[in-house]
Amino acid sequence: EAAVTQSPRSKVAVTGGKVTLSCHQTNNHDYMYWYRQDTGHGLRLIHYSYVADSTEKGDIPDGYKASRPSQENFSLILELASLSQTAVYFCASSPGQEVFFGKGTRLTVV
Amino acid sequence: GQGVEQPAKLMSVEGTFARVNCTYSTSGFNGLSWYQQREGQAPVFLSYVVLDGLKDSGHFSTFLSRSNGYSYLLLTELQIKDSASYLCAVRDRYNQGKLIFGQGTKLSIKP
Repeated sequence: EAAVTQSPRSKVAVTGGKVTLSCHQTNNHDYMYWYRQDTGHGLRLIHYSYVADSTEKGDIPDGYKASRPSQENFSLILELASLSQTAVYFCASSPGQEVFFGKGTRLTVV
Repeated sequence: GQGVEQPAKLMSVEGTFARVNCTYSTSGFNGLSWYQQREGQAPVFLSYVVLDGLKDSGHFSTFLSRSNGYSYLLLTELQIKDSASYLCAVRDRYNQGKLIFGQGTKLSIKP
């Protein structure tokens, strides 16, 4: 079964600080995604990638950067964390149709 | 523009059925998928459709009408454990790999 591992699973960050969320997949999928989910809401696409060393902006990229240095790894970087970025972040990978999600990272910015 | 819309809530009764609707607009349709998300957990894949018609997968069935930008997920013989949020997602053909989710429909099932 496809495995997508996110780290950390939970983090408290200070406003203005830098936060890096990491994602690792072991199934050699081409596509990788970062979504955020706010309480009671759906998934909103932040950044995605369909090949190593390349990333694409999603629907809400402002305040976030992404990096995909290899097929397996996809990071989300918050250079200056803000209160509005408190949310659950999901990383996902896909070979094309089915999408496999990590367990999520709960980020709280204080 | 592009978008995926779902009703926020749906209620049904154990042993009956529930139909979760999804409407979408996209510059180039390249498939629609459904996911189940339980409280506090990650979404889990249920079904993928790209051709019109009904796809019967037993407990879950999926319908697609590309000309109407419409899909539904049909759950039959509902059980209490089917209470969850159901999300549909549309893949855009012209933005390689881009996958847009609706807000999800929270299905509550009563005994």
